[in-house]
Amino acid sequence: SAVISQKPSRDICQRGTSLTIQCQVDSQVTMMFWYRQQPGQSLTLIATANQGSEATYESGFVIDKFPISRPNLTFSTLTVSNMSPEDSSIYLCSALPGGRGDTQYFGPGTRLTVL
Amino acid sequence: DAKTTQPNSMESNEEEPVHLPCNHSTISGTDYIHWYRQLPSQGPEYVIHGLTSNVNNRMASLAIAEDRKSSTLILHRATLRDAAVYYCILRAYTGTASKLTFGTGTRLQVTL
Repeated sequence: SAVISQKPSRDICQRGTSLTIQCQVDSQVTMMFWYRQQPGQSLTLIATANQGSEATYESGFVIDKFPISRPNLTFSTLTVSNMSPEDSSIYLCSALPGGRGDTQYFGPGTRLTVL
Repeated sequence: DAKTTQPNSMESNEEEPVHLPCNHSTISGTDYIHWYRQLPSQGPEYVIHGLTSNVNNRMASLAIAEDRKSSTLILHRATLRDAAVYYCILRAYTGTASKLTFGTGTRLQVTL
Protein backbone atom coordinates (compact mmCIF):
# COMPACT_ATOMS: atom_id res chain seq x y z
CA SER A 1 0.00 0.00 0.00
CA ALA A 2 0.96 3.66 -0.13
CA VAL A 3 -0.04 6.59 2.03
CA ILE A 4 0.02 9.93 0.25
CA SER A 5 0.15 13.35 1.86
CA GLN A 6 -0.23 16.71 0.15
CA LYS A 7 0.71 20.22 1.16
CA PRO A 8 -1.03 22.57 1.41
CA SER A 9 -4.43 21.05 2.05
CA ARG A 10 -6.07 24.24 0.86
CA ASP A 11 -5.14 27.73 -0.21
CA ILE A 12 -6.68 30.95 -1.41
CA CYS A 13 -4.58 32.76 -3.98
CA GLN A 14 -4.69 35.95 -5.97
CA ARG A 15 -5.04 36.04 -9.72
CA GLY A 16 -1.71 36.05 -11.53
CA THR A 17 0.27 34.31 -8.80
CA SER A 18 1.59 30.74 -8.72
CA LEU A 19 1.19 27.95 -6.19
CA THR A 20 3.31 24.83 -5.77
CA ILE A 21 1.65 21.74 -4.35
CA GLN A 22 3.81 19.06 -2.77
CA CYS A 23 3.05 15.34 -2.79
CA GLN A 24 4.87 12.90 -0.52
CA VAL A 25 4.44 9.12 -0.63
CA ASP A 26 5.47 6.96 2.31
CA SER A 27 7.16 4.39 0.07
CA GLN A 28 8.90 4.25 -3.29
CA VAL A 29 6.45 4.06 -6.17
CA THR A 30 6.77 3.37 -9.86
CA MET A 31 4.44 6.03 -11.19
CA MET A 32 2.96 9.27 -9.92
CA PHE A 33 0.11 11.26 -11.42
CA TRP A 34 -1.59 14.60 -10.96
CA TYR A 35 -5.36 15.03 -11.36
CA ARG A 36 -7.70 17.98 -11.24
CA GLN A 37 -11.26 17.86 -9.97
CA GLN A 38 -13.36 20.91 -10.68
CA PRO A 39 -16.36 21.60 -8.44
CA GLY A 40 -19.01 18.91 -8.83
CA GLN A 41 -17.05 17.14 -11.57
CA SER A 42 -15.11 13.94 -12.01
CA LEU A 43 -11.33 13.69 -11.99
CA THR A 44 -9.28 14.74 -15.02
CA LEU A 45 -5.71 13.57 -15.44
CA ILE A 46 -3.27 16.45 -15.87
CA ALA A 47 -0.02 14.55 -16.31
CA THR A 48 2.16 11.63 -15.38
CA ALA A 49 5.15 12.71 -13.31
CA ASN A 50 8.23 10.89 -14.55
CA GLN A 51 11.20 10.44 -12.26
CA GLY A 52 14.25 12.14 -13.66
CA SER A 53 12.60 13.37 -16.85
CA GLU A 54 9.91 15.70 -18.11
CA ALA A 55 6.31 14.94 -17.20
CA THR A 56 3.91 13.53 -19.78
CA TYR A 57 0.95 15.87 -20.19
CA GLU A 58 -2.57 15.01 -21.26
CA SER A 59 -4.35 16.87 -24.01
CA GLY A 60 -5.32 20.35 -22.89
CA PHE A 61 -2.58 20.68 -20.27
CA VAL A 62 0.82 22.26 -20.91
CA ILE A 63 4.10 22.44 -19.05
CA ASP A 64 4.18 26.25 -18.92
CA LYS A 65 0.91 26.30 -17.00
CA PHE A 66 1.44 23.18 -14.86
CA PRO A 67 5.17 22.52 -14.39
CA ILE A 68 5.80 19.27 -12.57
CA SER A 69 8.87 17.91 -10.85
CA ARG A 70 9.65 14.43 -9.62
CA PRO A 71 13.16 14.35 -8.18
CA ASN A 72 12.88 10.87 -6.66
CA LEU A 73 10.59 7.86 -6.22
CA THR A 74 8.58 9.29 -3.32
CA PHE A 75 8.08 12.98 -4.06
CA SER A 76 6.53 15.22 -6.69
CA THR A 77 5.39 18.81 -7.04
CA LEU A 78 2.79 20.46 -9.23
CA THR A 79 2.87 24.20 -9.80
CA VAL A 80 -0.21 26.05 -10.99
CA SER A 81 1.20 29.12 -12.75
CA ASN A 82 -0.28 32.53 -13.48
CA MET A 83 -3.53 31.52 -11.86
CA SER A 84 -7.00 32.65 -12.84
CA PRO A 85 -10.35 31.93 -11.16
CA GLU A 86 -10.85 29.08 -13.67
CA ASP A 87 -8.01 27.24 -11.94
CA SER A 88 -10.06 26.94 -8.77
CA SER A 89 -10.23 23.19 -8.26
CA ILE A 90 -9.10 20.32 -6.13
CA TYR A 91 -5.72 18.99 -7.22
CA LEU A 92 -4.98 15.37 -6.37
CA CYS A 93 -1.74 13.45 -6.38
CA SER A 94 -1.85 9.75 -7.11
CA ALA A 95 0.68 6.92 -7.03
CA LEU A 96 1.03 3.46 -8.48
CA PRO A 97 3.41 1.45 -6.30
CA GLY A 98 4.37 -1.34 -8.65
CA GLY A 99 3.61 -2.05 -12.22
CA ARG A 100 0.77 -3.85 -13.87
CA GLY A 101 -2.30 -4.66 -11.84
CA ASP A 102 -1.44 -2.56 -8.85
CA THR A 103 -3.94 -0.56 -6.90
CA GLN A 104 -3.59 3.17 -7.49
CA TYR A 105 -3.61 5.36 -4.40
CA PHE A 106 -4.75 8.94 -4.07
CA GLY A 107 -3.85 11.78 -1.78
CA PRO A 108 -6.49 13.82 0.06
CA GLY A 109 -6.26 16.66 -2.45
CA THR A 110 -5.40 20.36 -2.33
CA ARG A 111 -8.37 22.68 -2.54
CA LEU A 112 -7.34 25.81 -4.45
CA THR A 113 -9.45 28.95 -4.68
CA VAL A 114 -8.29 31.75 -6.96
CA LEU A 115 -9.75 35.21 -6.42
CA ASP B 1 -9.54 4.49 -23.97
CA ALA B 2 -12.72 2.41 -23.93
CA LYS B 3 -15.58 4.22 -22.21
CA THR B 4 -17.97 3.17 -19.47
CA THR B 5 -21.59 4.19 -18.88
CA GLN B 6 -23.06 4.41 -15.40
CA PRO B 7 -26.29 5.82 -13.97
CA ASN B 8 -25.79 9.28 -12.52
CA SER B 9 -27.27 8.38 -9.15
CA MET B 10 -28.79 5.58 -7.11
CA GLU B 11 -30.43 5.29 -3.73
CA SER B 12 -30.38 2.48 -1.22
CA ASN B 13 -31.66 1.77 2.24
CA GLU B 14 -29.15 0.98 4.91
CA GLU B 15 -28.32 -2.68 5.42
CA GLU B 16 -29.75 -3.65 2.07
CA PRO B 17 -27.73 -4.89 -0.92
CA VAL B 18 -26.83 -2.44 -3.65
CA HIS B 19 -26.13 -3.34 -7.26
CA LEU B 20 -24.27 -0.66 -9.20
CA PRO B 21 -24.28 -1.32 -12.94
CA CYS B 22 -21.67 -0.39 -15.54
CA ASN B 23 -21.80 -0.81 -19.29
CA HIS B 24 -18.58 -1.09 -21.29
CA SER B 25 -19.56 -2.42 -24.68
CA THR B 26 -16.24 -1.42 -26.35
CA ILE B 27 -14.04 -3.23 -23.83
CA SER B 28 -10.97 -4.90 -25.30
CA GLY B 29 -9.35 -8.17 -24.34
CA THR B 30 -6.58 -6.48 -22.36
CA ASP B 31 -8.88 -4.22 -20.33
CA TYR B 32 -9.38 -4.87 -16.65
CA ILE B 33 -12.53 -3.56 -14.97
CA HIS B 34 -11.71 -1.41 -11.95
CA TRP B 35 -14.01 0.18 -9.41
CA TYR B 36 -13.01 3.11 -7.25
CA ARG B 37 -15.12 5.21 -4.94
CA GLN B 38 -14.77 8.74 -3.65
CA LEU B 39 -16.17 9.57 -0.26
CA PRO B 40 -17.07 13.21 0.40
CA SER B 41 -14.03 15.49 0.69
CA GLN B 42 -11.57 12.62 0.11
CA GLY B 43 -9.48 11.27 -2.72
CA PRO B 44 -10.72 8.16 -4.56
CA GLU B 45 -10.05 4.76 -3.04
CA TYR B 46 -9.77 1.37 -4.67
CA VAL B 47 -12.72 -0.98 -4.29
CA ILE B 48 -12.18 -4.00 -6.53
CA HIS B 49 -11.08 -5.09 -9.99
CA GLY B 50 -11.42 -8.08 -12.28
CA LEU B 51 -10.82 -9.37 -15.79
CA THR B 52 -13.27 -12.18 -16.61
CA SER B 53 -14.28 -14.03 -13.47
CA ASN B 54 -16.39 -12.69 -10.65
CA VAL B 55 -14.34 -11.33 -7.76
CA ASN B 56 -14.98 -10.93 -4.06
CA ASN B 57 -13.15 -8.98 -1.39
CA ARG B 58 -14.01 -7.63 2.02
CA MET B 59 -15.49 -4.47 0.57
CA ALA B 60 -17.59 -5.73 -2.32
CA SER B 61 -18.19 -8.25 -5.08
CA LEU B 62 -17.76 -7.71 -8.79
CA ALA B 63 -19.97 -9.62 -11.20
CA ILE B 64 -18.75 -9.57 -14.81
CA ALA B 65 -21.01 -10.54 -17.70
CA GLU B 66 -19.90 -13.45 -19.82
CA ASP B 67 -19.33 -11.21 -22.85
CA ARG B 68 -17.58 -8.65 -20.57
CA LYS B 69 -19.66 -5.81 -21.96
CA SER B 70 -21.13 -5.02 -18.59
CA SER B 71 -20.37 -5.49 -14.92
CA THR B 72 -22.03 -4.92 -11.57
CA LEU B 73 -20.50 -3.83 -8.31
CA ILE B 74 -22.34 -5.39 -5.39
CA LEU B 75 -22.29 -3.96 -1.90
CA HIS B 76 -23.83 -6.71 0.20
CA ARG B 77 -25.08 -4.53 3.04
CA ALA B 78 -24.94 -0.82 2.43
CA THR B 79 -24.12 1.44 5.34
CA LEU B 80 -24.23 5.21 5.63
CA ARG B 81 -20.44 5.17 5.22
CA ASP B 82 -20.86 3.71 1.74
CA ALA B 83 -22.43 6.94 0.48
CA ALA B 84 -19.98 8.02 -2.21
CA VAL B 85 -19.42 8.42 -5.94
CA TYR B 86 -18.55 5.05 -7.48
CA TYR B 87 -16.44 4.99 -10.63
CA CYS B 88 -16.25 2.09 -13.05
CA ILE B 89 -13.00 2.35 -15.03
CA LEU B 90 -11.42 0.25 -17.74
CA ARG B 91 -7.69 -0.09 -17.43
CA ALA B 92 -5.62 -1.49 -20.26
CA TYR B 93 -2.57 -3.58 -19.47
CA THR B 94 -0.34 -3.53 -22.49
CA GLY B 95 3.04 -4.27 -21.01
CA THR B 96 3.25 -1.20 -18.83
CA ALA B 97 0.88 0.19 -16.25
CA SER B 98 -1.62 2.58 -17.74
CA LYS B 99 -3.35 5.63 -16.37
CA LEU B 100 -6.80 5.62 -14.80
CA THR B 101 -9.32 7.65 -16.76
CA PHE B 102 -12.37 8.58 -14.70
CA GLY B 103 -15.90 8.86 -16.08
CA THR B 104 -18.79 10.60 -14.39
CA GLY B 105 -19.54 7.82 -11.89
CA THR B 106 -22.66 6.94 -9.89
CA ARG B 107 -23.52 8.91 -6.79
CA LEU B 108 -24.87 6.47 -4.22
CA GLN B 109 -27.13 7.79 -1.48
CA VAL B 110 -27.79 5.56 1.51
CA THR B 111 -30.69 6.32 3.80
CA LEU B 112 -31.85 4.95 7.13
